[in-house]
Amino acid sequence: DTGVSQDPRHKITKRGQNVTFRCDPISEHNRLYWYRQTLGQGPEFLTYFQNEAQLEKSRLLSDRFSAERPKGSFSTLEIQRTEQGDSAMYLCASSPREQVLNYGYTFGSGTRLTVV
Amino acid sequence: SQKIEQNSEALNIQEGKTATLTCNYTNYSPAYLQWYRQDPGRGPVFLLLIRENEKEKRKERLKVTFDTTLKQSLFHITASQPADSATYLCAGYGNNRLAFGKGNQVVVIP
Repeated sequence: DTGVSQDPRHKITKRGQNVTFRCDPISEHNRLYWYRQTLGQGPEFLTYFQNEAQLEKSRLLSDRFSAERPKGSFSTLEIQRTEQGDSAMYLCASSPREQVLNYGYTFGSGTRLTVV
Repeated sequence: SQKIEQNSEALNIQEGKTATLTCNYTNYSPAYLQWYRQDPGRGPVFLLLIRENEKEKRKERLKVTFDTTLKQSLFHITASQPADSATYLCAGYGNNRLAFGKGNQVVVIP
């Protein structure tokens, strides 16, 4: 297992278009998190899954955002009708629930979204 | 709301010296604090964590302290090297997730 994979690494889209990002976590990790990071800021929590269940969504996540984790494996984050304010790095991380208090999160390299 | 605060100013330090970063938290009591390193265009990489009942933790040239009275954690890089140049993020765990600070950029000058 080579860690958390995110695809694509970069995405440029026109305002109003829909985009979808994919995250493949470490296979034995049952928790998966999505964060958003803008320049000069730390990662902001968006949502997290335990297996296939989405347990929490941040108030930052408007109705245009939706995330899924079918079968508790990979996850997708979709943004509908993108706005320029959605431009950011979208980070995915995973952790094992049983060891969450002993180990940190493993992050992917992120998907850089630019809305023009 | 839960808040992790880091001084956003960059820290320029001479090679071989100790870099010290500060992290303060407000409006909650995290069960533990974690520190991450982030290089440009990459995701954060976990370095070490410290629990609320631990005063100090060390890992190689890194040292972290946790003061629940001051609501503060200090992160030290001893014998700093140019390869240590990066942004360092503090994160507090509470309500089943990590809340991150803005991060501190460290530049180690050869």
